[in-house]
Amino acid sequence: NAGVMQNPRHLVRRRGQEARLRCSPMKGHSHVYWYRQLPEEGLKFMVYLQKENIIDESGMPKERFSAEFPKEGPSILRIQQVVRGDSAAYFCASSPNTNTEAFFGQGTRLTVV
Amino acid sequence: AQSVAQPEDQVNVAEGNPLTVKCTYSVSGNPYLFWYVQYPNRGLQFLLKYITGDNLVKGSYGFEAEFNKSQTSFHLKKPSALVSDSALYFCAVRDGASGTYKYIFGTGTRLKVLA
Repeated sequence: NAGVMQNPRHLVRRRGQEARLRCSPMKGHSHVYWYRQLPEEGLKFMVYLQKENIIDESGMPKERFSAEFPKEGPSILRIQQVVRGDSAAYFCASSPNTNTEAFFGQGTRLTVV
Repeated sequence: AQSVAQPEDQVNVAEGNPLTVKCTYSVSGNPYLFWYVQYPNRGLQFLLKYITGDNLVKGSYGFEAEFNKSQTSFHLKKPSALVSDSALYFCAVRDGASGTYKYIFGTGTRLKVLA
């Protein structure tokens, strides 16, 4: 059983471009979480999704950020019109239900130049 | 609101000595508590969890943690530290009763084990 797969591992975007981060959860996992980590800081919750539904997006910035988890395919975190402050590591985690631990991917390191 | 505090930014310990990484939490309902470890440029690896049951929880790589409800603490411990244990450790909490399933992480504690 492959772990949580995130791609790309590294992403460089110019200011104003769009960034699309992909997360394939572990097989059988229908719960997906996205977190952002700034250098030397902890993980900040962004959004929690189940298949086709956003359950909790209280950590998502109101503008430019969106997330989806379609019935088929990976979860996508989309950042429009990126700014330098969006530079961070973005981690995805998945779990099969709400009573077990979440498993994390290796992260996507976004650099905005 | 849920919150987690890791009061120490860094813990230094000599190899072979016992280690403790501290964590306290605040939730409105029953806490689900977790410890994760992060190595440089990697994702988080699960170490152990407390959902219910025995207050002393044993996890991966010889780590254990004790749930203390009266002190709202969940300190991570290991009897004998290894140099390879050097990493960034995160405590996390979920409120089991509120229906809020997101994990709230502490700011992390960097463990340095000295040879």
